[in-house]
Amino acid sequence: DTAVSQTPKYLVTQMGNDKSIKCEQNLGHDTMYWYKQDSKKFLKIMFSYNNKELIINETVPNRFSPKSPDKAHLNLHINSLELGDSAVYFCASSRQGSNEQFFGPGTRLTVL
Amino acid sequence: AQRVTQPEKLLSVFKGAPVELKCNYSYSGSPELFWYVQYSRQRLQLLLRHISRESIKGFTADLNKGETSFHLKKPFAQEEDSAMYYCALLTGGGNKLTFGTGTQLKVEL
Repeated sequence: DTAVSQTPKYLVTQMGNDKSIKCEQNLGHDTMYWYKQDSKKFLKIMFSYNNKELIINETVPNRFSPKSPDKAHLNLHINSLELGDSAVYFCASSRQGSNEQFFGPGTRLTVL
Repeated sequence: AQRVTQPEKLLSVFKGAPVELKCNYSYSGSPELFWYVQYSRQRLQLLLRHISRESIKGFTADLNKGETSFHLKKPFAQEEDSAMYYCALLTGGGNKLTFGTGTQLKVEL
């Protein structure tokens, strides 16, 4: 199936831990994104990469570090997890010249 | 700074009734607006974009620059329309989507 996929789907962890979420797209897109959806369903962009280069970096704590090993992958590493990091994280991708973004299924992160 | 406002958190209508989901934006440049939808247990997906001027699943949205609005409308709501709807504004050289806070549409029988 051609799509944007994320792993894991659910992630429950203790405060202070370090965790990673992985995203892969096999759509041949050039640009990938990370969004955070909080408990009130508010959706906000965090990062965007175009061909492995960071192009959007919103006001996000330094504990969040995106990594793009190639243009089909954009991983999100979070250090020293806090309670407020609990949210659903969505990965998305888009093709150069197209404004439509394709979203992954989301990763529900719960920090205890 | 750009901003997208969806004033209704929840909109509940009866099946067959007209639906209007409100969206207002604030942006100094030329706006490019979208509606995204998230059905229960599904991923967020594009519903329609203003430049296409199309009708998808019976929904339409017209960009009104004078009122800075991009309201989503459907003349007769269906049960399967129940979902979370997000209005979004594209900026940042065509890469950054600024989402509204979303409106949960509930269509009741």
